[in-house]
Amino acid sequence: GAVVSQHPSRVICKSGTSVKIECRSLDFQATTMFWYRQFPKQSLMLMATSNEGSKATYEQGVEKDKFLINHASLTLSTLTVTSAHPEDSSFYICSAKRPSQGDTEAFFGQGTRLTVV
Amino acid sequence: AQSVTQPDIHITVSEGASLELRCNYSYGATPYLFWYVQSPGQGLQLLLKYFSGDTLVQGIKGFEAEFKRSQSSFNLRKPSVHWSDAAEYFCAVGALYSSASKIIFGSGTRLSIRP
Repeated sequence: GAVVSQHPSRVICKSGTSVKIECRSLDFQATTMFWYRQFPKQSLMLMATSNEGSKATYEQGVEKDKFLINHASLTLSTLTVTSAHPEDSSFYICSAKRPSQGDTEAFFGQGTRLTVV
Repeated sequence: AQSVTQPDIHITVSEGASLELRCNYSYGATPYLFWYVQSPGQGLQLLLKYFSGDTLVQGIKGFEAEFKRSQSSFNLRKPSVHWSDAAEYFCAVGALYSSASKIIFGSGTRLSIRP
């Protein structure tokens, strides 16, 4: 089946620094990828939709200048948490859909646990 | 707007007992429905999905779910749970035939297994 790879799986950074998370579709091209955030013991909240070659679409309440998304190729989307603060500590998960008609299952990365100290 | 409701936050069942996790959805188009499982600190694993055909779908690990359009429900069931089934379960809905549509998750149900 299709595979989505996310890197790194864990990252610890100092407050005020920026962190980049990568999401790759390994065996298919994804024109659209999705970024989710999950706080402990809570559900996955969609942050933004990443569109290859164009600007990302952010959900209401998500700061686009804080969470920079770049989808420069059909197999890679990146999420950069800028000027990270402890409240940004969370589990971030990406997903991508294989664009074949009749099969729009979303494949999820393994997630990135970000800890800001 | 699409939404997913999982009314049960936490359920505890005895090992070997049957299980049903509830999920209700609201969606304006033909829905594509999923159940995912997440173990602590881990990513998501797809248990099963439904988008057409037989309304009773079989998934991995002995799980099944039944789509009931009249009730806007997609409840997950397992006839006999195992201790390894303890995890967080998420119901989700997306749009069929649209690779650009987002998937919305329910709030999740935490399943605990009593020995």
